[in-house]
Amino acid sequence: DADVTQTPRNRITKTGKRIMLECSQTKGHDRMYWYRQDPGLGLRLIYYSFDVKDINKGEISDGYSVSRQAQAKFSLSLESAIPNQTALYFCATRGEYGNTGELFFGEGSRLTVL
Amino acid sequence: QKEVEQNSGPLSVPEGAIASLNCTYSDRVSQSFFWYRQYSGKSPELIMSIYSNGDKEDGRFTAQLNKASQYVSLLIRDSQPSDSATYLCAVNPNAGNNRKLIWGLGTSLAVNP
Repeated sequence: DADVTQTPRNRITKTGKRIMLECSQTKGHDRMYWYRQDPGLGLRLIYYSFDVKDINKGEISDGYSVSRQAQAKFSLSLESAIPNQTALYFCATRGEYGNTGELFFGEGSRLTVL
Repeated sequence: QKEVEQNSGPLSVPEGAIASLNCTYSDRVSQSFFWYRQYSGKSPELIMSIYSNGDKEDGRFTAQLNKASQYVSLLIRDSQPSDSATYLCAVNPNAGNNRKLIWGLGTSLAVNP
């Protein structure tokens, strides 16, 4: 089993629907991140969390919200999905003593908003 | 605006050749540098990190860092078709571990049998 698990792996939804992407990890890491990846735009940080009481906005947080339910779980919500949120979404983790760049990624969630 | 730039490619090399991937960054105080490999439709995977000027070797991979010229490169020796992927360069723009990475857009590598 993967150390960083994302569900669902693929989702097609309609404009205006609420969507939740879930991430859970067994690595024991305290730092968790949500990225989206778009062709030509690369990886962009949406939100990150350093522990269950710490939530921080990334560079493109508008239209998204997150919840850190436990050390091992970090969920991303799209309150009212729109087509330009169609993308590949990645959850990533890092240990407290790992370097900023030593990220472990989940398998990705491909979201299509019609 | 802090930036990390990579040639998008595709870079095409024959099997067994050396593939050379380059990355330049704009923030002179950047401290640590990372290469990730991403197969099509898969997640990025860290393959090399480098923190000091010079070369760092790990198997067929060598990372080279030149802070004065603000570039970092990745050499892949004896390239294999399984090395065909997109290679992402990432930079920690500041000292310390509570900073956000700056990502390049990636270079696509094709190794031809």
